[in-house]
Amino acid sequence: GESVGLHLPTLSVQEGDNSIINCAYSNSASDYFIWYKQESGKGPQFIIDIRSNMDKRQGQRVTVLLNKTVKHLSLQIAATQPGDSAVYFCAESTNAGKSTFGDGTTLTVKP
Amino acid sequence: EAGVAQSPRYKIIEKRQSVAFWCNPISGHATLYWYQQILGQGPKLLIQFQNNGVVDDSQLPKDRFSAERLKGVDSTLKIQPAKLEDSAVYLCASSGQGASSNQPQHFGDGTRLSIL
Repeated sequence: GESVGLHLPTLSVQEGDNSIINCAYSNSASDYFIWYKQESGKGPQFIIDIRSNMDKRQGQRVTVLLNKTVKHLSLQIAATQPGDSAVYFCAESTNAGKSTFGDGTTLTVKP
Repeated sequence: EAGVAQSPRYKIIEKRQSVAFWCNPISGHATLYWYQQILGQGPKLLIQFQNNGVVDDSQLPKDRFSAERLKGVDSTLKIQPAKLEDSAVYLCASSGQGASSNQPQHFGDGTRLSIL
C-alpha cells in the first residue's frame, strides 16, 4: 500500500552540527511533501514543504531536498540547536489532499 | 491567529465505554482532519472533511468510530464502544484550501486517550 518511510528511527547530533533526516516515499502520484516537527505532548508543527516541480527549497536554517527519481526526501537542519530535539515526520500528499505520514525520526541534540 | 483547539486533553475510560472528542479548527479553514497517533508511530488519517462533507473516511473503523462536522466548523469524533487498541492520541488538523489544493495542515495538541 501507500506508505512513507524514514531511513532511521533515531538520530543523535552534537549541538552546532548539521543534521540530515531522510525519508523514502512510495506513491509516485504524490506531488506535495511536508516536513513536520513534533515535540512531546504537542501536535505536529509545519516546518517546510516542497512541491513535486521543485528539487530544493530553503527556509530559515532548514532545507528540503526532493529526488523524484528514487522517491527520496531529506530535511537538512543547519547548526542544530537543543530546541531542535523532537520527532520529525515527513508526509506525502496527492492532489486529493490526503496526507500519509511516516513513522518519524527522533532527533536528539547533545550539548 | 488562534490555533486548532481540542478538548479534552486527556481522557481515561474503561473498555466498552464511549468517548467523544471535540475540535475547533482555525477560523476560515474549510478542510478538517482527524488522525489517530499510536505511541511511536506517525499520525494515521481517520477522516477528512471538506466543509461539512466527508472527503475520505476509508480508514475509519465505522463499526465503532463516528465523526461529524454538521455546520462546517467544529467537529466531534466519537468511539463507541472503546477497545484497548484505541489507546492513542487523537489529533485534529485543519487547512485553508480545498481538498484538491495542497496546503500544510495545522494541528491541535491532541487528546490522549487511555483505555483501561
